[in-house]
Amino acid sequence: NAGVMQNPRHLVRRRGQEARLRCSPMKGHSHVYWYRQLPEEGLKFMVYLQKENIIDESGMPKERFSAEFPKEGPSILRIQQVVRGDSAAYFCASSPQDREQFFGPGTRLTVL
Amino acid sequence: KQEVTQIPAALSVPEGENLVLNCSFTDSAIYNLQWFRQDPGKGLTSLLLIQSSQREQTSGRLNASLDKSSGRSTLYIAASQPGDSATYLCAVRSGGGADGLTFGKGTHLIIQP
Repeated sequence: NAGVMQNPRHLVRRRGQEARLRCSPMKGHSHVYWYRQLPEEGLKFMVYLQKENIIDESGMPKERFSAEFPKEGPSILRIQQVVRGDSAAYFCASSPQDREQFFGPGTRLTVL
Repeated sequence: KQEVTQIPAALSVPEGENLVLNCSFTDSAIYNLQWFRQDPGKGLTSLLLIQSSQREQTSGRLNASLDKSSGRSTLYIAASQPGDSATYLCAVRSGGGADGLTFGKGTHLIIQP
């Protein structure tokens, strides 16, 4: 059973471009969470999704950020018109129902 | 709003020592608590999960305790080894389990050979 997979592992974008981060949960896990780790700061919760539903997006910035978890395929975190302050490590986690969360290796986004 | 604090922020001890990492949280109405380790530039590895109804969990040389009423958890590492060097993160899930995790800033642990 493969762990949580994230791609790409490293992503470089110029200011104003779009960033798409993908997360494939562990097999059998229907709950997906996205977290952001800014340099020198702790991990912050962004959004919690189940298949085709956003359960809690209280940690998502109001603009430019969106997330989805379609019926088929990976969960996508989308950042439009990236700015330098978006540079961070973005982690995805999955769990079976509301239990222990297992984290992926992260996507490190650098905005030039 | 839930806040999680970890003390100390950094710790360096000789190999073989037993050590305790501390975690405190402001809202005792938690659903569960998880301890993770994070190696530099890597993702998080789940170490232990304690449900709100439990007092402690053990895995190998690791033991985590939970005192929900006082808002505290400790992670005990026995017979520390250089391979234990990492950042240890405490995270709390609040509400009815429908919330994301709230993380502390971690304890950066170095075990000297």
